Amino acid sequence: ETGVTQTPRHLVMGMTNKKSLKCEQHLGHNAMYWYKQSAKKPLELMFVYNFKEQTENNSVPSRFSPECPNSSHLFLHLHTLQPEDSALYLCASSQDWENSYEQYFGPGTRLTVT
Amino acid sequence: AQSVAQPEDQVNVAEGNPLTVKCTYSVSGNPYLFWYVQYPNRGLQFLLKYITGDNLVKGSYGFEAEFNKSQTSFHLKKPSALVSDSALYFCAVRSRLAGKSTFGDGTTLTVKP
Repeated sequence: ETGVTQTPRHLVMGMTNKKSLKCEQHLGHNAMYWYKQSAKKPLELMFVYNFKEQTENNSVPSRFSPECPNSSHLFLHLHTLQPEDSALYLCASSQDWENSYEQYFGPGTRLTVT
Repeated sequence: AQSVAQPEDQVNVAEGNPLTVKCTYSVSGNPYLFWYVQYPNRGLQFLLKYITGDNLVKGSYGFEAEFNKSQTSFHLKKPSALVSDSALYFCAVRSRLAGKSTFGDGTTLTVKP
């Protein structure tokens, strides 16, 4: 877990706010991921970046906007969110996004939309 | 399309007893299979994986899992449960033909003293 850090750990925002979640991995990996984990739903893959290129967008609403400036950093920009977007947002990384490599997860950002 | 089923939302065992957390999968071709554990207010932590070869895979904290191709299962096991094993466990599958992993819904394991 210490190889992948996420900030902030907790975030409360109104529906009209704009905020960003940050993820950094110190493992030298080439792939990074955003997941949404809700209380009543399984782990939902949102975005995948491999070598800074987006390789997966899992039909995520445009109010979530990812950014991957380099292989070590991943952002999730949030704007005009809805209360149902309240969840734990997990960042993960792996050596690359194919083959047999396992993923390493950060501790998550607990987001509450009011 | 690939999928994972964890048929039990909750598994309860007594400390010192063996534990099993079940996982079945559906995927095209041969799979990569993974187990992760999530403690409260933490991210998922990798436990073990099956790539190829020996069907019995050993992982962290004394956990092991057995790959059964005919039953398309990858159950997680531990011979003697500890209270500290209480957590949420996720099984995941990835086809060798596609990059995306699919996670199960998770099984909450509770080990009672």
